Amino acid sequence: ETGVTQSPTHLIKTRGQQVTLRCSSQSGHNTVSWYQQALGQGPQFIFQYYREEENGRGNFPPRFSGLQFPNYSSELNVNALELDDSALYLCASSLSPGLGSGEKLFFGSGTQLSVL
Amino acid sequence: LAKTTQPISMDSYEGQEVNITCSHNNIATNDYITWYQQFPSQGPRFIIQGYKTKVTNEVASLFIPADRKSSTLSLPRVSLSDTAVYYCLVGIYTGRRALTFGSGTRLQVQP
Repeated sequence: ETGVTQSPTHLIKTRGQQVTLRCSSQSGHNTVSWYQQALGQGPQFIFQYYREEENGRGNFPPRFSGLQFPNYSSELNVNALELDDSALYLCASSLSPGLGSGEKLFFGSGTQLSVL
Repeated sequence: LAKTTQPISMDSYEGQEVNITCSHNNIATNDYITWYQQFPSQGPRFIIQGYKTKVTNEVASLFIPADRKSSTLSLPRVSLSDTAVYYCLVGIYTGRRALTFGSGTRLQVQP
């Protein structure tokens, strides 16, 4: 069984740039969620994708966008980077999109993004 | 926007039982409560999940009162390797469903 993998592990960007982060879901999982974790804080839900459609979104601006591909892998895109976007970005996959209704999330190790 | 609340930190010694409580006043009727463990530079790892009363697995127990406005994670006989941040996760309805992690409890286990 292949776990959730994320790339790259670390990334440094400057303010105003754009970034794309990638996630491969665990084998058999059709749902991917993205989280932002600032230093010392809990993960904050960005959005979830199910069958290539956005299926739920947290309180993040439209410059945070995503994609899910037919193989259920996913990308997180962030435009016009700001200093406050510096954080650990986590991807989680699950068997179903039932938000809050009992699904178990499997997390990757994350991408550490630094915006200078 | 409703949120979950946990103690910021807890200290314990090896072999002791540790109980961490999370409050979630606005939990929705169909929501489950899930606890995760996170080590530095890693993603959270599932520990246990429940809907009501008590759930037990090989690593922890979860106690949920009848009103479901709080839950308590119980770790029996902790070891040094249990030093981590623990989060409770519930689905907090915001119009478009979103998942909310608690603020996390940093557990430090000492010899």
